Amino acid sequence: GAGVSQSPSNKVTEKGKDVELRCDPISGHTALYWYRQSLGQGLEFLIYFQGNSAPDKSGLPSDRFSAERTGGSVSTLTIQRTQQEDSAVYLCASSRGREGRGYTFGSGTRLTVV
Amino acid sequence: GQQLNQSPQSMFIQEGEDVSMNCTSSSIFNTWLWYKQDPGEGPVLLIALYKAGELTSNGRLTAQFGITRKDSFLNISASIPSDVGIYFCAGQRRDDKIIFGKGTRLHILP
Repeated sequence: GAGVSQSPSNKVTEKGKDVELRCDPISGHTALYWYRQSLGQGLEFLIYFQGNSAPDKSGLPSDRFSAERTGGSVSTLTIQRTQQEDSAVYLCASSRGREGRGYTFGSGTRLTVV
Repeated sequence: GQQLNQSPQSMFIQEGEDVSMNCTSSSIFNTWLWYKQDPGEGPVLLIALYKAGELTSNGRLTAQFGITRKDSFLNISASIPSDVGIYFCAGQRRDDKIIFGKGTRLHILP
């Protein structure tokens, strides 16, 4: 597609439930990133996929968070047993490679845990 | 972990005024990037800087890559209402990971 597509755009879930957030990167972009942005805060790095390399998971805040990227394209971020502190906007970005200038962000998924 | 210190955290200015914001780090970066985020949207790249000392302009925006490679500034001249938003600096390390600052929130007074 023309841009990075994220779905759903908004998600309200009950505490303790699992959620899946989806990211469709720009076609041909080999690098994909997930960030979390809490209200009024900056961008917190979560995970980075680059081609067929092992993902950089160093930003995942707990083992309740996981992500996968199937076929080098679509990525799913899964949060298990959601907590209220997981409420945030989850942003996905993709790029052609390692070039920071090529980062294109999606509009994000706003997750609210009640 | 590595952090970027971005300042100011927020700014309230009159339309037409010039704006200046900056980022500093204790570590060296290979690339400095400046992004803008509008409400409900993801950040959009404004300017990318690749060489120490580089000064780059994009319309009313001017950014510089500090000579020490540990800082960068962004200037906006003659601000207009659509400049409102959150501005993020970002530094890209040698291992290609990008670190973001906490953002500068720009407000324009009516």
